[in-house]
Amino acid sequence: DSGVTQTPKHLITATGQRVTLRCSPRSGDLSVYWYQQSLDQGLQFLIQYYNGEERAKGNILERFSAQQFPDLHSELNLSSLELGDSALYFCASSAGLTDTQYFGPGTRLTVL
Amino acid sequence: GQSLEQPSEVTAVEGAIVQINCTYQTSGFYGLSWYQQHDGGAPTFLSYNGLDGLEETGRFSSFLSRSDSYGYLLLQELQMKDSASYFCAVRVDTGFQKLVFGTGTRLLVSP
Repeated sequence: DSGVTQTPKHLITATGQRVTLRCSPRSGDLSVYWYQQSLDQGLQFLIQYYNGEERAKGNILERFSAQQFPDLHSELNLSSLELGDSALYFCASSAGLTDTQYFGPGTRLTVL
Repeated sequence: GQSLEQPSEVTAVEGAIVQINCTYQTSGFYGLSWYQQHDGGAPTFLSYNGLDGLEETGRFSSFLSRSDSYGYLLLQELQMKDSASYFCAVRVDTGFQKLVFGTGTRLLVSP
């Protein structure tokens, strides 16, 4: 158990809908990262927040957005969902900006 | 841009030793990490090499050669539970630091 929690574990929705994924980092960690993992693919970095502020952006679509709240939990919002958005979405946290990242159990999103 | 190459699949038997190689082409290289991921599970951190040489953690060791843009993960005394996917990931700094993951090597350990 990494100490990173994510909810929900599974999410099934329809095309065009909007969903919110939630992540709570390990106690004391200030950085939160979001990754997307499609079937048999590596992890694609989406976005990083540090102490409430956006620090880095990866291959995140404009339909996706995220934020980190004062209590350091983070939410990833996915809108206008398409079939291709079906994937595992992982959150990771680290103490600072460059430390080892510890991953949560992931949210499996299925778009029908 | 960044690119990483690792074998897609490796098979071995229990008790054996296996080496998973990773070559990379990247700018702003900081270091190389290795993660293990069981089917349906979360990636789990195994090791990090920021400097050339060998890092040992129990049955697992990781090596980095910055001049060759190459690293490997060595797994000894293989156990069935080691069957998983193993990802190398380069830490790069292109104005900000991020991890770029390879596509993973699926390790199958048989009795």
